[in-house]
This record gives sequence, structure tokens and C-alpha cells, in this order.
Amino acid sequence: GAGVSQSPSNKVTEKGKDVELRCDPISGHTALYWYRQRLGQGLEFLIYFQGNSAPDKSGLPSDRFSAERTGESVSTLTIQRTQQEDSAVYLCASSLDGRADFGYTFGSGTRLTVV
Amino acid sequence: GNSVTQMEGPVTLSEEAFLTINCTYTATGYPSLFWYVQYPGEGLQLLLKATKADDKGSNKGFEATYRKETTSFHLEKGSVQVSDSAVYFCALAGTGYSSASKIIFGSGTRLSIRP
Repeated sequence: GAGVSQSPSNKVTEKGKDVELRCDPISGHTALYWYRQRLGQGLEFLIYFQGNSAPDKSGLPSDRFSAERTGESVSTLTIQRTQQEDSAVYLCASSLDGRADFGYTFGSGTRLTVV
Repeated sequence: GNSVTQMEGPVTLSEEAFLTINCTYTATGYPSLFWYVQYPGEGLQLLLKATKADDKGSNKGFEATYRKETTSFHLEKGSVQVSDSAVYFCALAGTGYSSASKIIFGSGTRLSIRP
């Protein structure tokens, strides 16, 4: 597609429920990244995919967080048993070949609110 | 590990004022440096970048020079406009396989321009 697409744009969920966030990268981009942005704070790296493997998942905050990617396409970030501290904007980005030093293209994010 | 420190906000200026947002970094090797911008209600966009020492990145009247001797990448604009009101993030991507897999972001600086 023309840009990085994320869905839903907003999600309100009850504490303890599971949520799935989706990211469609730019067509042909082999690398995909997930970040989290808490209110008023910077971006926190979560996980990086090259193709459908994840060579760097050092930023996943707990085992409640997982992500997968189908080929060089859609990725899903799953948060199980959500907690209020999971409330944040979850941003997805993609790049052509995994060279982060060329910069990323970001999606508009999913705003997650856990009540 | 790699890190980015940027000037805390908010920064409030009058239209046509000179802008500087300070950014310093810690990294091994020769990282690439970026400024990203997040306009109200929009996703992150790459504003400018520099990939080696003494390079100057520029876009939309903004400039930043990669200074290895002072490990800095300060953002400047000679005459700001109301439309420049946004949150600005300084960022770096390291060298080497694992470092190049992700961009490290600063905490962001909110800029507000008064008419």
C-alpha cells in the first residue's frame, strides 16, 4: 500500500482482556518495527521483524506481549491479560531492507486504553 | 548502550523567532542521526537525517549538523511559523547488525509557536 496502515486506530478494553493490534507495512518493505509511546513520553522499542523472523525482541516488556508476522506482510501485536499500564499508543513502522539508518515510515498508531 | 538525550520541553516561541532544540547522543561507532516530527493528530514523520560526521541534514527550513566531537545533533530553524508547532524527536540508529536493527528515540520536545 501507499503507507503503513494500522488498525484499529482506537481500542478501549477492560483490564484482563486480550487485544490484537494489526500493522500492514508498505508493500515490499522487508523490515517491520513495533514501538510504544506512553502519554507525554518518547518511543519505546518493542520488537523488530526482518521478513517473518524476529531477530530483536528485546523490548517486549513481559511475556504477556507477543508478536508475529506473516511473510513480509501483516504483523499482529498481541497483549494478553491487559493491564492499565499497557495504555499507550502502539506505533508500527517499516523500512525497505532493515537498515534502520535509512529511517522508517511510521503508521498513525493504535491508541489503546485499558479501563 | 546507545542513547539520546534531548532538551526538555515545552518550548514556546513567538512567530519568526530563532529555534534551537538541543540533542546529544551516546553511541559506539558511527551512528546515523535523525530528527522526527509529530504534528498534532498525526503520525511520526522523518524531518531530516545525517549519516556521517559533519553532514548537515535539512528540510522545511530546519537544519541539523552531525558533530562527532561534541556528540550532538542540534535542530535549528531561523524563523519559526505557527505551523511548526509539534513534538520533535531526536533519534539514532547504530552500526553493526544488532544496533542497526532499531532506531533509539529521545523523549521528545514539544514546540508551541505563538502568532
